[in-house]
Amino acid sequence: GAVVSQHPSRVICKSGTSVKIECRSLDFQATTMFWYRQFPKQSLMLMATSNEGSKATYEQGVEKDKFLINHASLTLSTLTVTSAHPEDSSFYICSAGTEDYGYTFGSGTRLTVV
Amino acid sequence: EDKVVQSPLSLVVHEGDTVTLNCSYEVTNFRSLLWYKQEKKAPTFLFMLTSSGIEKKSGRLSSILDKKELSSILNITATQTGDSAIYLCAVRPNFGNEKLTFGTGTRLTIIP
Repeated sequence: GAVVSQHPSRVICKSGTSVKIECRSLDFQATTMFWYRQFPKQSLMLMATSNEGSKATYEQGVEKDKFLINHASLTLSTLTVTSAHPEDSSFYICSAGTEDYGYTFGSGTRLTVV
Repeated sequence: EDKVVQSPLSLVVHEGDTVTLNCSYEVTNFRSLLWYKQEKKAPTFLFMLTSSGIEKKSGRLSSILDKKELSSILNITATQTGDSAIYLCAVRPNFGNEKLTFGTGTRLTIIP
């Protein structure tokens, strides 16, 4: 149980464009999903908590207008990196789960902004 | 602020050795501690621990939680090269929010 699917796995975009990343819970309903960012050789940094049907909760220092999160259904959360710049290049990972199954991660999205 | 500290930061051992990875935490109103293995992509779930003193086991991996010492260990016996990875420890507080706080991880390298 608790399978999380993330798409795309890799994306290259031009500076100034926007990129949308999808996170789906395949076999359970997730009222809450989490978006992380990971820099090379560093641990996961929580960016925001995505809440179904309401606004996301952003961690300190994360720009909510730059990293738009939409959690319109119990199985889908999206993260849109708006007006991406090279410094936004990173590995983005979503997570969801339950107390019973533990918390599982999507496969991650490697974003490269050129 | 919740805090998770893992040690060692990195570890290099020979195949067949046994390793013990440590995780200590400070969290308001602890609920559970989780271990993950991260190779090239996203972390994969290993264990979730909520009760002190009860060992969880999966093949050559095992883990135990000590709530008195605010710590957990992850043991890997008869290590194999496929065990090379970053092992992440995370804690979850018990106040409705499922937010996890991660440690920096232990980078384990198994030499053939």
